[in-house]
Amino acid sequence: DGGITQSPKYLFRKEGQNVTLSCEQNLNHDAMYWYRQDPGQGLRLIYYSQIVNDFQKGDIAEGYSVSREKKESFPLTVTSAQKNPTAFYLCASTSGPDRYTGELFFGEGSRLTVL
Amino acid sequence: RKEVEQDPGPFNVPEGATVAFNCTYSNSASQSFFWYRQDCRKEPKLLMSVYSSGNEDGRFTAQLNRASQYISLLIRDSKLSDSATYLCVVIKNYGGSQGNLIFGKGTKLSVKP
Repeated sequence: DGGITQSPKYLFRKEGQNVTLSCEQNLNHDAMYWYRQDPGQGLRLIYYSQIVNDFQKGDIAEGYSVSREKKESFPLTVTSAQKNPTAFYLCASTSGPDRYTGELFFGEGSRLTVL
Repeated sequence: RKEVEQDPGPFNVPEGATVAFNCTYSNSASQSFFWYRQDCRKEPKLLMSVYSSGNEDGRFTAQLNRASQYISLLIRDSKLSDSATYLCVVIKNYGGSQGNLIFGKGTKLSVKP
């Protein structure tokens, strides 16, 4: 079945450590996105990529980094510079702005907790 | 004014009730509107798009009021399985990428037996 796979589902990190969250999709989608969700809050865009080897900062990119070396993969690194990294991270994809339907396909999310 | 605002709820309703959620948006140039559903500790999923003429999908009806800059979602004959958080989503700029998608904080619905 096609879909988006995020891993790990749960992750614990010590302060000062970088962690990388994996996001893989086999939907042949061009565009991929990373969102952060805090309790009682809406989704906030961290980074997005519309094509391979290109990505754009979202509203809250500070302390995060991404890469898009393959169409299927869009990993997110939460660096030690991110002041409050404990959150629910959601990866999403869509077929691209030229075929935009408003539907984002989300992975099941990764819960990061900083100890 | 926030870009997208929703009443956080929770809305606690009995089974069979009709419940309505509103969502207001600040950018009058916004062109596309959607409702997503998010179950507890799960990812959001598209429930329905909102068209200018209004649209219906079974027990769900979505409407858009451009003059007042709000969209609504009506759920008739509520089921226990409707319990979730409903997210209002707005596209800021026409023709823009989904980097311009703005999510509301969501309205929590709890349907009781």
